[in-house]
Amino acid sequence: AQTVTQSQPEMSVQEAETVTLSCTYDTSENNYYLFWYKQPPSRQMILVIRQEAYKQQNATENRFSVNFQKAAKSFSLKISDSQLGDTAMYFCAFSPIQGAQKLVFGQGTRLTINP
Amino acid sequence: NAGVTQTPKFQVLKTGQSMTLQCAQDMNHEYMSWYRQDPGMGLRLIHYSVGAGITDQGEVPNGYNVSRSTTEDFPLRLLSAAPSQTSVYFCASSRFRDYPGELFFGEGSRLTVL
Repeated sequence: AQTVTQSQPEMSVQEAETVTLSCTYDTSENNYYLFWYKQPPSRQMILVIRQEAYKQQNATENRFSVNFQKAAKSFSLKISDSQLGDTAMYFCAFSPIQGAQKLVFGQGTRLTINP
Repeated sequence: NAGVTQTPKFQVLKTGQSMTLQCAQDMNHEYMSWYRQDPGMGLRLIHYSVGAGITDQGEVPNGYNVSRSTTEDFPLRLLSAAPSQTSVYFCASSRFRDYPGELFFGEGSRLTVL
């Protein structure tokens, strides 16, 4: 069974700073997907970024980027130039290629951006 | 564009009562699922469906029942509520062939079982 671990329950940074959220996972699969989802205080969760394990290049989406270390089974999220609207719970998630919609989520990291 | 709609948003039940959480999506997504979110545990998959008439169990299916008679609707039934089912429930849908892993979530339903 796959597991996803987020070791930082809470983080807090000042607006405009860069912050990195950590995630590790365990799987015996060779091909899979990794995701970061954002859950703002309004509670509707949205996808932030996706990484395919067979791609060596790290995914980026505007101010959001990942550091994917396949051998170490590590998948961190970097938020550059943080904004107040980035305040949210962030979840790391894993899915196999087969059954790609059956996501396994980590415990979440509550990120607060302070003005 | 409604997306994924869940009702009710809040519900209080007594132990042993039954109820149904409703979920509807208007995006013609094949895949629908139910997760529960508990503090310190992230989201855990309860049941899922890959199309009308097809359902399967996720990680924590006990005490819950689902059916998928139409593409749009995927209700979650609690057969005999227990305090351990106090949680926030999320319905999610996706078009998995085109966008693997990209789930569209509802706003959640907070259930308290006394």
